[in-house]
Amino acid sequence: GENVEQHPSTLSVQEGDSAVIKCTYSDSASNYFPWYKQELGKGPQLIIDIRSNVGEKKDQRIAVTLNKTAKHFSLHITETQPEDSAVYFCAASMWNTGNQFYFGTGTSLTVIP
Amino acid sequence: GAVVSQHPSWVICKSGTSVKIECRSLDFQATTMFWYRQFPKQSLMLMATSNEGSKATYEQGVEKDKFLINHASLTLSTLTVTSAHPEDSSFYICSAPGTGHYNEQFFGPGTRLTVL
Repeated sequence: GENVEQHPSTLSVQEGDSAVIKCTYSDSASNYFPWYKQELGKGPQLIIDIRSNVGEKKDQRIAVTLNKTAKHFSLHITETQPEDSAVYFCAASMWNTGNQFYFGTGTSLTVIP
Repeated sequence: GAVVSQHPSWVICKSGTSVKIECRSLDFQATTMFWYRQFPKQSLMLMATSNEGSKATYEQGVEKDKFLINHASLTLSTLTVTSAHPEDSSFYICSAPGTGHYNEQFFGPGTRLTVL
């Protein structure tokens, strides 16, 4: 099955700096890669996603890049703010598995004011 | 966007009792829903896939008789933790796929279960 690895597990940045979280996946058949933000005691919220036919996608301060050859994708947050502090999860999904998601292990991001 | 709700948001029960958690898709229909369990500071682990009108599909290592899943309608799936024990204490989250071309999933807010 699919195996998703995520690094780093914890990340601290100064407010205004950029944060980068990286994930790798094992199955080349995966074609959809969402990123979720989870605040304490809440369910995951989709913040951005990318599909296998695209190399990069940006939404204001958040961007995701995908390298299909290397099987890795990254989340980039620029101009970080304290409210960006949360746990971020990457995931990979394939069409032929009934929408099943394989999640990374999560990154706890702390933005220091 | 699509909204998924869960009820209750938190529950405390005594060991040996059963607890039912509801997952609803509020503004769309979902023939499939997913149940995850998340322990503190860990990732989401898929427990089972709930299928409307048929039996749920359980992941390896998940006890079918302990975690009963019923997908009674296109907008409701329930997870019943039977004979709960302290080790079942966890954060249970459901999700439902969107109707778009790709595999968007919408997650519920989660249910915190504490078994005393």
